[in-house]
Amino acid sequence: NAGVMQNPRHLVRRRGQEARLRCSPMKGHSHVYWYRQLPEEGLKFMVYLQKENIIDESGMPKERFSAEFPKEGPSILRIQQVVRGDSAAYFCASSPPRGGYTFGSGTRLTVV
Amino acid sequence: DQQVKQNSPSLSVQEGRISILNCDYTNSMFDYFLWYKKYPAEGPTFLISISSIKDKNEDGRFTVFLNKSAKHLSLHIVPSQPGDSAVYFCAATKGGNTPLVFGKGTRLSVIA
Repeated sequence: NAGVMQNPRHLVRRRGQEARLRCSPMKGHSHVYWYRQLPEEGLKFMVYLQKENIIDESGMPKERFSAEFPKEGPSILRIQQVVRGDSAAYFCASSPPRGGYTFGSGTRLTVV
Repeated sequence: DQQVKQNSPSLSVQEGRISILNCDYTNSMFDYFLWYKKYPAEGPTFLISISSIKDKNEDGRFTVFLNKSAKHLSLHIVPSQPGDSAVYFCAATKGGNTPLVFGKGTRLSVIA
């Protein structure tokens, strides 16, 4: 049973480009969470999704950021028109309905 | 407004001694607390948790203590081993599938 798979592991984008981060949850997990970790900071919640539904996006910036978890395929965190301040490690976690997180290894986004 | 605080950014302990990592929280709605361990370039790994109805939970070398009245929890590692060197994050949740709120982490170094 593979763990939570995130890709790419490293992503470099120029300012103004789009970044797409993918997360495949563990088998049997229907809940996905995205967190962001800035340098020297803890992980900050961004968005919580179930299949085809956004449950809680209270931690997501209102502009440029969006997330989806389609019926088929991975969850996608999309950042449009990236800026230097978006450089961070983005972690995805998944859980079954009863709770209990498993984190992926993260995507390290660098905006140059 | 940080709801989960880890006031010690780093801690250095001799191998074989006890490591004590502390965490304070402000939101009385939190009812489940977790500790995660994180190595560089990896995602957080679940270590141990405690429900608010308990004041202690033990798993091998790891023990978590919860003082609800003080809104304080601590993680004890004994005996400490060099492989325990990592960043430790305290997290809290209101239960179920609600998002985790993380502290900024404490970097533990166990010196041989």
